Amino acid sequence: RKEVEQDPGPFNVPEGATVAFNCTYSNSASQSFFWYRQDCRKEPKLLMSVYSSGNEDGRFTAQLNRASQYISLLIRDSKLSDSATYLCVVNGKGATNKLIFGTGTLLAVQP
Amino acid sequence: EAGVVQSPRYKIIEKKQPVAFWCNPISGHNTLYWYRQNLGQGPELLIRYENEEAVDDSQLPKDRFSAERLKGVDSTLKIQPAELGDSAVYLCASGLAQGVTDTQYFGPGTRLTVL
Repeated sequence: RKEVEQDPGPFNVPEGATVAFNCTYSNSASQSFFWYRQDCRKEPKLLMSVYSSGNEDGRFTAQLNRASQYISLLIRDSKLSDSATYLCVVNGKGATNKLIFGTGTLLAVQP
Repeated sequence: EAGVVQSPRYKIIEKKQPVAFWCNPISGHNTLYWYRQNLGQGPELLIRYENEEAVDDSQLPKDRFSAERLKGVDSTLKIQPAELGDSAVYLCASGLAQGVTDTQYFGPGTRLTVL
């Protein structure tokens, strides 16, 4: 089983739609969780950290379910500029600062 | 503020040749990471430095890969000899270790093609 699993997509959605990505992780001892965004042929950039209480940043909402070892990202009112790959990231087994990346979920927002 | 700088941005070599990548982290960052990203995959950690010390190199193929971070600032990653399967994007990231996990900032990467 992979340490971090994501649906690779692609998710093709119209502008204005709400889209949700899910991610599961295998290490119950993980303490830190993130969503990174990666544009085509660019480097990953931190989108947001994920906290147990859930957190929101504008149109983006991230949630963590420790019991189910599940992380989600919700994007409301999708924009063309949201088209990218979204990487679920978890800190690795037995080590802080060691990030394990999922394979990413490709989002394509259509006009 | 300047970001993580990497060079070269692109490199094409023939198999069995050596190749080296260079990384200059964000000023003041004490942690430095090298990742490899294959097409359609997420980045995979190769080596992690805290200052000058390599604190995790468990995923670095040591038969052909080597890395150094002299004076705890710039870093180089070398492959000798390169194999076809080494074609990938090599990403450098830096961070400021504080608390449980530092936020990692990535450079633009070096896209390596081995022919």
